[in-house]
Amino acid sequence: GAVVSQHPSRVICKSGTSVKIECRSLDFQATTMFWYRQFPKQSLMLMATSNEGSKATYEQGVEKDKFLINHASLTLSTLTVTSAHPEDSSFYICSASRGVEQFFGPGTRLTVL
Amino acid sequence: AQSVSQHNHHVILSEAASLELGCNYSYGGTVNLFWYVQYPGQHLQLLLKYFSGDPLVKGIKGFEAEFIKSKFSFNLRKPSVQWSDTAEYFCAVNRPAGTASKLTFGTGTRLQVTL
Repeated sequence: GAVVSQHPSRVICKSGTSVKIECRSLDFQATTMFWYRQFPKQSLMLMATSNEGSKATYEQGVEKDKFLINHASLTLSTLTVTSAHPEDSSFYICSASRGVEQFFGPGTRLTVL
Repeated sequence: AQSVSQHNHHVILSEAASLELGCNYSYGGTVNLFWYVQYPGQHLQLLLKYFSGDPLVKGIKGFEAEFIKSKFSFNLRKPSVQWSDTAEYFCAVNRPAGTASKLTFGTGTRLQVTL
């Protein structure tokens, strides 16, 4: 158990467009999900904590208006990168919390042209 | 704020060599400790975890880690690595403050095992 999926796995978009990434916990309910960003050959940097039914909590330096998070159900959180620019190109990873453990999705590679 | 240091950025070993990857954290309170592995093109997988009890924990695929509280360390070990262990390894820490506690990751160690 404890499988987390992400969709899409990779996306290429033009600068100025918005991209939505979905994170689903497939076999358990998660009141809390996390969104990370991973640059090449670097570690995961926490962007925000997504709480079901309430507003997300953003880490310092992460623009909440640029990275919109919605956690509408106990199995789905979405991250929308609004007005994407080339510097937003990265690997975005979500995790879903079950107890004190987190289970990670396979990630979404975003390339903004 | 808590932080995690992994001193080895890139390690190259021959098959059957022994492995030890360092992990140190900076938080004086009680912590949960994790090691994750990320194989090429795959998602993060949990190797092992420490919450409390025996400081020597065994994980999957023959890995183990020892929590040394006095040294704020949680080093990962494997007595004999295999080519299939080639991957990125991340140490992570969170506080046992209820559920859904944020994880802080180390910078990762890239392990390359040669035949």
